[in-house]
Amino acid sequence: QVQLQESGPGLVKPSETLSLTCTVSGDSVSSNSFYWGWIRQTPGKGLEWIASMHYGGTTYYNPSLKSRVTVSVDTSKNQFSLKLSSVTAADTAVYYCARRRSLAGRPLWFDPWGQGTQVTVSS
Amino acid sequence: EIVLTQSPGTLSLSPGGRATLSCRASQSVSSNYLAWYQQKPGQAPRLLLYDASSRATGIPDRFSGSGSGTDFTLTISRLEPEDFAVYYCQQYDYSPYTFGQGTKLEIK
Repeated sequence: QVQLQESGPGLVKPSETLSLTCTVSGDSVSSNSFYWGWIRQTPGKGLEWIASMHYGGTTYYNPSLKSRVTVSVDTSKNQFSLKLSSVTAADTAVYYCARRRSLAGRPLWFDPWGQGTQVTVSS
Repeated sequence: EIVLTQSPGTLSLSPGGRATLSCRASQSVSSNYLAWYQQKPGQAPRLLLYDASSRATGIPDRFSGSGSGTDFTLTISRLEPEDFAVYYCQQYDYSPYTFGQGTKLEIK
């Protein structure tokens, strides 16, 4: 059974960089069949896709966040990571990692999701 | 960006009833690249349907999906107590991959 678990600080100061890691068990981040993604959820904006990456290097970003987002995959630890720079209070959200089925190099639906981690941006 | 509009915002029904949830896209979603998710309080979303009508592993057959182009529907027949939750649609046809704002299914 595939499981994903987010980890990282729950509190980040404004203007700093939010860093989260997703640890995958029951599957390999090196699988050709999947992308690995990040999504966040806020009461105001709902669910917002952030980025999706394939271990081979293909990455898709939400244009609204692209200038601040860095994603990476660590195959040795079976993890993937998110960095979001220059955060503000608007980046306060529950952040989820998720696996995405891939077909012909195209990322598809999200399944499964990690349990989510609350990140608050505040001084 | 494809905007997904879900209706109604809240649906009040009784167990045993039938729920019909709508997801309308601002432009056509080709290949029916649309998924539905269920989210319960304090939990992550769970995949119910993909490709508009294919049930994910372990999803009961009382959940069904239909539609194409810009109009999609999630139907839950014979509502069980555990079905009362928030439901989201999501398109994966075009980046950025967007979600609807959700429909809350509550017990009447």
